Amino acid sequence: GESVGLHLPTLSVQEGDNSIINCAYSNSASDYFIWYKQESGKGPQFIIDIRSNMDKRQGQRVTVLLNKTVKHLSLQIAATQPGDSAVYFCAEKLGAQKLVFGQGTRLTINP
Amino acid sequence: EAGVAQSPRYKIIEKRQSVAFWCNPISGHATLYWYQQILGQGPKLLIQFQNNGVVDDSQLPKDRFSAERLKGVDSTLKIQPAKLEDSAVYLCASSPAVIGTGELFFGEGSRLTVL
Repeated sequence: GESVGLHLPTLSVQEGDNSIINCAYSNSASDYFIWYKQESGKGPQFIIDIRSNMDKRQGQRVTVLLNKTVKHLSLQIAATQPGDSAVYFCAEKLGAQKLVFGQGTRLTINP
Repeated sequence: EAGVAQSPRYKIIEKRQSVAFWCNPISGHATLYWYQQILGQGPKLLIQFQNNGVVDDSQLPKDRFSAERLKGVDSTLKIQPAKLEDSAVYLCASSPAVIGTGELFFGEGSRLTVL
C-alpha cells in the first residue's frame, strides 16, 4: 500500500557535523521523492526533490540519495547549523502532485 | 511574493460544534490542497483541487468534513460536527502545476483543539 516511513524519530548532532536522515518507502510507482523541513509552528518547506530515475542530487549543503533496490531515501546536510533544527519529512509523489508524507525525524543541534 | 494565507491560526471548540478554516493560495496557483497533521505525524492529504474542481478527496471524511473552492481561488474547509480526534493542524498548500516535481507551498496552518 501507500506508506513512507522513517527509521529514526529523533536525531541529535553536533553543530558543524554532517547529518544524515533516512527514509524507507514502499510504493515503486512514485516518480519523485521530496524532502520537506518543518520548523515549529510553521508549515512544511520544500528542500529538495529527486526524480525516480536518479540516484543522487545535490543542492546547497544538502544531498539526497535514492536507492530503489532497497526502497531507501536519505537526506544529508553538510556542516549542520542551529537553523537546521526542525522536523524533516520525506514524501513520495504519486500521480499528479499527490504527496504521501512519512512520519518525520526531529533533528536537534548540540552547540 | 505573498505566501499561502490561512486563518484562523488557532481555534478551540467543544466536540459536536462546527468550525471553518479559510485559505488563500499564492496568486496564480491552480492547485490547492488541504492536509491534516496530527501531532507527531506527517501531513495527510484531505482534498486536492485543481482550479475549482476536486481532483482527489478519497481521504476526506465526508460525513463531517466539507471543502469548497469557489471561483478557483480561495478555499474553505468545514468540520461539522467536530470530534475529539479532529484535533490537529490543518495545512493549506498550493502549487502552480498540476503535474510537477512535488514542490508545494504551505501556509502556517490552523491549529484546532477539540475539547
